[in-house]
Amino acid sequence: EDQVTQSPEALRLQEGESSSLNCSYTVSGLRGLFWYRQDPGKGPEFLFTLYSAGEEKEKERLKATLTKKESFLHITAPKPEDSATYLCAVFLTGNQFYFGTGTSLTVIP
Amino acid sequence: KAGVTQTPRYLIKTRGQQVTLSCSPISGHRSVSWYQQTPGQGLQFLFEYFSETQRNKGNFPGRFSGRQFSNSRSEMNVSTLELGDSALYLCASSLAGGTLETQYFGPGTRLLVL
Repeated sequence: EDQVTQSPEALRLQEGESSSLNCSYTVSGLRGLFWYRQDPGKGPEFLFTLYSAGEEKEKERLKATLTKKESFLHITAPKPEDSATYLCAVFLTGNQFYFGTGTSLTVIP
Repeated sequence: KAGVTQTPRYLIKTRGQQVTLSCSPISGHRSVSWYQQTPGQGLQFLFEYFSETQRNKGNFPGRFSGRQFSNSRSEMNVSTLELGDSALYLCASSLAGGTLETQYFGPGTRLLVL
């Protein structure tokens, strides 16, 4: 059965304290992996798409990486405005999306 | 460019009733997908419409249905509401869907079933 697991469920960081969020998956037919950010009361906002193992993408303080079994979202020197829930999703052959349950990140000033 | 809009934003219904939610995609986008988001299950894919046809469907009972109009606007209907249907319902649009295109999400409709 296709499965996407995110860890940790919640993470509290001091401002400037770098860390990583994990998205592990056991699926067949992976065509791509997405990272989204979701603020309270809003829909998810697209961050990155990764297509193949070894790929990396960066945007401001965020860097996403992909291996054959997992993806990491590295947050460097986070700021309070980075506080949000971060979701990963896999896109499979058959055009199905499966989302993880997210990591709730709180950055304390 | 206007984003994805969803109406209503909040809704309270009682068990057994039915509800219709609306989604207007970004102009030019022809694919609309619907998702249910709950604290325990996260985001779960309901279905995708493209050119007025349902192209993909998730594992939800037949009480959940949808349609898409010629202007790409989409509606989702849930009949015989159950308490467990309380959730945030999100729609997302993309140009053609079915690919690795970026999906743009609306703010969602929060449904509470009493």
